[in-house]
Amino acid sequence: DIQLTQSPSFLSASVGDRVTITCRASQGISTYLAWYQQKPGKAPKLLIYAASTLQSGVPSRFSGSGSGTEFTLTVSSLQPEDFATYYCQQLNSYPRTFGQGTKVEIK
Amino acid sequence: EVQLVESGGDLVQPGRSLRLSCTASGFTSGDYGMSWFRQAPGKGLEWVGFIRSKTYSGTTEYAASVKGIFTISRDDSKSIAYLQMNSLKTEDTGVYYCARDLLIGGRYHGLDVWGQGTTVTVSS
Repeated sequence: DIQLTQSPSFLSASVGDRVTITCRASQGISTYLAWYQQKPGKAPKLLIYAASTLQSGVPSRFSGSGSGTEFTLTVSSLQPEDFATYYCQQLNSYPRTFGQGTKVEIK
Repeated sequence: EVQLVESGGDLVQPGRSLRLSCTASGFTSGDYGMSWFRQAPGKGLEWVGFIRSKTYSGTTEYAASVKGIFTISRDDSKSIAYLQMNSLKTEDTGVYYCARDLLIGGRYHGLDVWGQGTTVTVSS
């Protein structure tokens, strides 16, 4: 199985900060990586697919990059509604594994 | 409105069975692969399994932890995907979500529509 390791697991930031989350895969997955945002008690929301393609309706302050084994999700200017947990997921092969999550909290 | 609604979650005893349903509206669910996920209390997301659309064979894939125990099926005439869960264990407790697969150029790239989730509690 492909393991995904996110870092950091926890991040404390202020409104307006630039935030970067990293997702590393245990083997190459090309660009078959998606990023999701999840708020407490809610379903995940797709932010980025194919490593760098912004899902329709997602604000342009979110961006993704990477290929192979290392990927990043960047929020250029953190907004109050962005405080949530973020997950990466690989869709290169089955099982479709997730990273352990990165919780972004208000400093 | 494109929507998925899960139902069927309940409190069940260990060893019993439960069937969850995922009802689609606002789109032709038969054209899409559908996935199931779960989230144990306070934990991260876990992929449970996936069923392809009939166009892509309608076959299934499962996580090792549920293979042979859980079964995913679909009734496209009713726009419903099912998750049949047998021999439930306490560790199967959690919120179960269904989601629609985003298919582009013949490859799956993510889950673009999610249901609100249904809660399964396995306890004696």
